[in-house]
Amino acid sequence: GDSVTQTEGLVTLTEGLPVMLNCTYQTIYSNPFLFWYVQHLNESPRLLLKSFTDNKRTEHQGFHATLHKSSSSFHLQKSSAQLSDSALYYCALGGSALGRLHFGAGTQLIVIP
Amino acid sequence: DAGVTQTPRHEVAEKGQTIILKCEPVSGHNDLFWYRQTKIQGLELLSYFRSKSLMEDGGAFKDRFKAEMLNSSFSTLKIQPTEPKDSAVYLCASSLGDLDTQYFGPGTRLLVL
Repeated sequence: GDSVTQTEGLVTLTEGLPVMLNCTYQTIYSNPFLFWYVQHLNESPRLLLKSFTDNKRTEHQGFHATLHKSSSSFHLQKSSAQLSDSALYYCALGGSALGRLHFGAGTQLIVIP
Repeated sequence: DAGVTQTPRHEVAEKGQTIILKCEPVSGHNDLFWYRQTKIQGLELLSYFRSKSLMEDGGAFKDRFKAEMLNSSFSTLKIQPTEPKDSAVYLCASSLGDLDTQYFGPGTRLLVL
């Protein structure tokens, strides 16, 4: 079945360093949709960015990700981490079952001064 | 426009009780989702409705969890009987459908003693 793997449960970074959160997926669907949702403390998840186009960079709020179907990946990146980026990040996969998404386990990002 | 609303925001129940959580999706949205969120398991799908029809009922949750969509603007999640392991945040989300953005409500934090 469909699944999403986020290899890092916790990432701790110093402010100003680059961010990369890993996301890989498995699906039989040939046109997957990939999403990144972000959840700040005491808030609900909200969409950060999404893509369904192979090899096209998608950007929002300083973050970017590129869907690579050849490697089944959709890693989230940012050039310079800010304290306000501290949050829980979920990668999610859709495409094979109407609107249903498969969420990864989440990566907690902590940015320290 | 109002976002997704959920009530109550907090609930404390004794083991064995029946509790009902409520959700009002964004007006005009066709898809409604119930999730359970814990630190260990992350986001787990409990139920998924499209245009009030139940599309998916999370297998592991079938025996004590029942979600209903009484009309396009109201859904309930009943847990009967509650167990301490049900302590979690229950999130409701809605979307236009077809892998459009899911908008999450503020959640209900449930504690079962």
